[in-house]
Amino acid sequence: NAGVTQTPKFRILKIGQSMTLQCTQDMNHNYMYWYRQDPGMGLKLIYYSVGAGITDKGEVPNGYNVSRSTTEDFPLRLELAAPSQTSVYFCASSYQDRSNEKLFFGSGTQLSVL
Amino acid sequence: LAKTTQPISMDSYEGQEVNITCSHNNIATNDYITWYQQFPSQGPRFIIQGYKTKVTNEVASLFIPADRKSSTLSLPRVSLSDTAVYYCLVGESNYQLIWGAGTKLIIKP
Repeated sequence: NAGVTQTPKFRILKIGQSMTLQCTQDMNHNYMYWYRQDPGMGLKLIYYSVGAGITDKGEVPNGYNVSRSTTEDFPLRLELAAPSQTSVYFCASSYQDRSNEKLFFGSGTQLSVL
Repeated sequence: LAKTTQPISMDSYEGQEVNITCSHNNIATNDYITWYQQFPSQGPRFIIQGYKTKVTNEVASLFIPADRKSSTLSLPRVSLSDTAVYYCLVGESNYQLIWGAGTKLIIKP
């Protein structure tokens, strides 16, 4: 059981480039989330999804886009990379959104924009 | 949305019991209290969760007083591998959770 898998683990982008961070889960969870974590800080929610075809903005959605075409996959797209998007990105999933349902996290993608 | 306050850092020694207290004065009726652990270069991992009184699992205990305005995570007989950041979270829905900087726990030999 792989849980939540994120790729790539590391990436360096030039300003203005685009990329997609991949996230897939094999637990048949309905809810999936994208967070970013800056050094020494807590996680900030970028986008979340309540199921295939349904997404919504979190606290810091600007500069990002998401899609959810299947239950398993929830990719995060950066269209025009900026230095402010240098961060560690975590994908998570849960069966339901109620906070008594555990969040399962991937191992993260460390992104540098130079 | 309930915010939490917890110490920025704590030190302890192997074999000791460690208690990390979290304050959440404006907790709402439907909010749960959840603690996550994060090691460097890894995603957070669920430790324990509760609504009231005491909860115990194989790795920790969670003490919640009757007014629910605070909670204490207790780690029995810590080891070097318990060095990590611990987050206290309060909320009804996962998407509403506010992640602070957590408590950086350092265990010394």
